[in-house]
Amino acid sequence: EAQVTQNPRYLITVTGKKLTVTCSQNMNHEYMSWYRQDPGLGLRQIYYSMNVEVTDKGDVPEGYKVSRKEKRNFPLILESPSPNQTSLYFCASSLSGTGALGNQPQHFGDGTRLSIL
Amino acid sequence: DQQVKQNSPSLSVQEGRISILNCDYTNSMFDYFLWYKKYPAEGPTFLISISSIKDKNEDGRFTVFLNKSAKHLSLHIVPSQPGDSAVYFCAASVNAGGTSYGKLTFGQGTILTVHP
Repeated sequence: EAQVTQNPRYLITVTGKKLTVTCSQNMNHEYMSWYRQDPGLGLRQIYYSMNVEVTDKGDVPEGYKVSRKEKRNFPLILESPSPNQTSLYFCASSLSGTGALGNQPQHFGDGTRLSIL
Repeated sequence: DQQVKQNSPSLSVQEGRISILNCDYTNSMFDYFLWYKKYPAEGPTFLISISSIKDKNEDGRFTVFLNKSAKHLSLHIVPSQPGDSAVYFCAASVNAGGTSYGKLTFGQGTILTVHP
């Protein structure tokens, strides 16, 4: 089954304790992206990757890191989490980032709810 | 600066009637627009899209209209069904000559409730 898998689905942690949210897709997609969803703000793009070893900042990259060492995985790293990073996070992938995103709609994972105390 | 705005946080409609969800944007460089639907505890799923070279795109019960001069798009659902109850997000991207810059900007979302 084609899917985007995020882990963990839920996490409660404390300020300053490094954490990684993993994202894996089995569709051989080139493009992957991370979003956070907050009430009243919708989905905001954190980082995206057009292909392996190619990453770029979205609209809200501060406090986050990503890496794309292989095509299927795109982990999101919070080196020193803070309470303002408490949010619902989504990973997404699409076939290619070099074509119009509209022609290749993104497939989303089911989300990771992070609470940082 | 919110470049894509959905000014109605919620919409309530009777089953069988039309649902109209609205979206406004400010960036004139946006040339591709999408609607996503999201159920609780799930990720968004793609619904329908439209290129800026068109003013209408239809897929079954779903039609998206684009008014470039007003920088406005709308999603019409006819007839509405209780299973359509979800959060709807509009999104926009900039593409030049078929090459995406990789960024997708979403609106805040509208909660649609369809009553039986």
